Order: sequence, then structure tokens, then C-alpha cells
Amino acid sequence: AQSVAQPEDQVKVAEGNPLTVKCTYSVSGNPYLFWYVQYPNRGLQFLLKYITGDNLVKGSYGFEAEFNKSQTSFHLKKPSALVSDSALYFCAVRDIYSSASKIIFGSGTRLSIRP
Amino acid sequence: DGGITQSPKYLFRKEGQNVTLSCEQNLNHDAMYWYRQDPGQGLRLIYYSQIVNDFQKGDIAEGYSVSREKKESFPLTVTSAQKNPTAFYLCASIGTKRDYGYTFGSGTRLTVV
Repeated sequence: AQSVAQPEDQVKVAEGNPLTVKCTYSVSGNPYLFWYVQYPNRGLQFLLKYITGDNLVKGSYGFEAEFNKSQTSFHLKKPSALVSDSALYFCAVRDIYSSASKIIFGSGTRLSIRP
Repeated sequence: DGGITQSPKYLFRKEGQNVTLSCEQNLNHDAMYWYRQDPGQGLRLIYYSQIVNDFQKGDIAEGYSVSREKKESFPLTVTSAQKNPTAFYLCASIGTKRDYGYTFGSGTRLTVV
């Protein structure tokens, strides 16, 4: 069965400090991996993706993520957090062998950046 | 600008009523999806459609129905059979370049009163 896990419901970081939001996955075949961000009462916004190639992926708003195949992880990172980064973050995975292009989402991690 | 429009933004339903949530896209995307979001549970797939006049059940289809008569439109009906409909509903679509992931609408918050 395909799945995505976000082990932390909430992450709290002081502004200016580095942040990490964790994600692990389990899929058959090669995964397409995504990170999305959601602000209150809004839809999800695409941050970044890993399809193939360099394991370090750079995305929007200064975020990056590192794909680790041996640990089946795709952690989201940012070197210096901003208060405006406070939001709900979702890791997601799609099996490229699925013809329906369905994406499976993690349960979400609420990121809180304190001034 | 191309995108997905969901309406209404807020919807209140009385017990026993059917309500329909609108989802319209002008991205020329083939595939469209409906997700339900509850606190702490992430997103769960309700229905999806890969082409016009065809759709499939997702993981939690009971109490919901959809139609796909036009490529641009994928409305979701929440029927009276759905016992706990209060949630945030998100519509998404994906184009032929499927590695780009979903584009999402801004969501509809449905509340039973």
C-alpha cells in the first residue's frame, strides 16, 4: 500500500533559525514527491517537487527538500525561518505507475514561527 | 489567469438536504479530483475524473455524487446520506504534464446547521 507519513503534528521554531518538516513515504516503483503549503481557509499551494535527478530540490519562498531513497524520506527545510512561513504543510506522493495520477497526502504538519 | 474556481466559499446545509459544490477550471486539464479535509486527517479522496463523462470513486465516496459533463466542470453533490458532511472541500486538477502535481481551488467550507 502506498502511504506518506508526517510524524510531527506541529513544529515550532524561532524566527531566523533553520527549520525541518519531516516526511517519509512508502510506494511501489519510483515516487513523485511533493510539498504543499496551506494558509487558513485556502487551497493548497505547490512548493516543490522531486521527480528525478539531484536529490536536493529547491522550491518557492526559499524552501528546499532533500530526497533520500535509502531512508525513504523527503524532508522540507529552510535555512532561516520567517514568521510568514507559519502555515500547514503537506507532503504528498504519487506513484508514476498509477494511471489515475492520484496523489496521496500526509496528515499535515503545522509550522509555527515565533518572532 | 488560469486556475480553479470553487464556489461558494462557505455553505450551510440543513439536515436532510442535498447541496452541490461547484468546481470550474480554465486550465484545459483533463483530470479533476475532489478531496475532503478534516482537522488532523489530511486530505481524503472522494471522487476523481480522468476524462469527460467518466469518473471513479475514491476512498470515501459514500454519500457523495459527481458529474463530468464538461471538461471544465466537476461539481460535487453532498447528499443526505452523508452523515457527517461538515468539512473543508478541495477541488484539484492536473494536466498532461503530470509531474507538475495538482492545482488546487481555494476550497468550500461546508457546515451542517
